[in-house]
Amino acid sequence: SYVLTQPPSVSVAPGKTARITCGGNNIRSKSVHWYQQKPGQAPVLVIYDDSDRPSGIPERFSGSNSGNTATLTISRVEAGDEADYYCQVWDSSSDHYVVFGGGTKLTVL
Amino acid sequence: EVQLVESGGGLVKPGGSLRLSCAASGFTFSVAWMSWVRQAPGKGLEWVGRIKSKTEGGTIDYAAPVKDRFTISRDDSKNTLYLQMNSLKTEDTAVYYCTTDSGSPPYFDYWGQGALVTVSS
Repeated sequence: SYVLTQPPSVSVAPGKTARITCGGNNIRSKSVHWYQQKPGQAPVLVIYDDSDRPSGIPERFSGSNSGNTATLTISRVEAGDEADYYCQVWDSSSDHYVVFGGGTKLTVL
Repeated sequence: EVQLVESGGGLVKPGGSLRLSCAASGFTFSVAWMSWVRQAPGKGLEWVGRIKSKTEGGTIDYAAPVKDRFTISRDDSKNTLYLQMNSLKTEDTAVYYCTTDSGSPPYFDYWGQGALVTVSS
């Protein structure tokens, strides 16, 4: 089955840029979506179709997808961005169909 | 405003059954594709299954770990999504989220607050 690999944790100082990666075999051939989840809350979609932002999501959030790695970039990081972030794809050959990465804990120093 | 409100969670013994409901409002439920996603305590997200709109065939897909034990259904007259869970195992313990499903390929744009299901003797 298809596997998405994320780093368990990423740390960044306020005002800097955070990059969270999501690795998968030829992931560039898939649409990648990203979710933010704060403690005790439901996930929120922050990027869909590799790089599109839902309404209400700040422009500081952006996404890219190339080769075997998709990346969520958060510019000018704020304390409120501290959360778990998950990438997700659809893989019809997988027994799960929908595949999530293991999640990355973003810590704002 | 889109609202998804799950109910029906609780404590159940291994081998038991439970039915979750998800009341939807703020959008045209009958044409929406819907999914269930779960999260075990302290763990990541896991997709459970989806149901398409009746106008698009009403097809239902399940993840392998729940196939043949869980059943997703919908009542468009009540704007409600259901998850019938049978033969529950301890590893089914999780918060279960109801989500809207964008279609193909899917992403999940709106989420409920979640319902906790605990499977324990």
